[in-house]
Amino acid sequence: EAQVTQNPRYLITVTGKKLTVTCSQNMNHEYMSWYRQDPGLGLRQIYYSMNVEVTDKGDVPEGYKVSRKEKRNFPLILESPSPNQTSLYFCASSLWTGDETQYFGPGTRLLVL
Amino acid sequence: AQKITQTQPGMFVQEKEAVTLDCTYDTSDQSYGLFWYKQPSSGEMIFLIYQGSYDEQNATEGRYSLNFQKARKSANLVISASQLGDSAMYFCAMREGPQAGGTSYGKLTFGQGTILTVHP
Repeated sequence: EAQVTQNPRYLITVTGKKLTVTCSQNMNHEYMSWYRQDPGLGLRQIYYSMNVEVTDKGDVPEGYKVSRKEKRNFPLILESPSPNQTSLYFCASSLWTGDETQYFGPGTRLLVL
Repeated sequence: AQKITQTQPGMFVQEKEAVTLDCTYDTSDQSYGLFWYKQPSSGEMIFLIYQGSYDEQNATEGRYSLNFQKARKSANLVISASQLGDSAMYFCAMREGPQAGGTSYGKLTFGQGTILTVHP
């Protein structure tokens, strides 16, 4: 089944403890992206990647890191999480950068205490 | 910088009636794409419809159509014959197109969303 998977789905952590949210797609998509969703703000793009080893900042990259060493994986790293990073995070992918359809993962709910 | 505005925080519609969700955008690009997504209470994001800036005809997908008015920079979503299952949050989004020398191709900007409630 074609899908985007994220792990973990739910995470409670404490300020400063490094964490990684994994994202994987099995559709051989070139384009992958991370978003955070906060009430009243919609979805905001954190980072995106147009291909392996090609990443670029979205609108809210501060406090986050990403890497794209393999086509299928695009992990989101929070080196030192803070409470303002409490949010719902989505990973998404599409066949290529200009593709009209993005496939979203199920989301990861993160609470930073 | 591109911007998406959804001015309706919430909309109500009677089952089987049509409803229009508003979206206006601001960009200096000539090439861009406009999207609508649905997010039910379960949380997943579902792609609904896409309109390219150079597409001359309005996009349609089943009961969804996109009323694209380029000069007014609006991309409203029209849902015909509303169903109870259409109750959800709806997001409008825009992707910048490729530009010579530009680095922002691939960025996607979302509006704040509109909550649609369909009454029986």
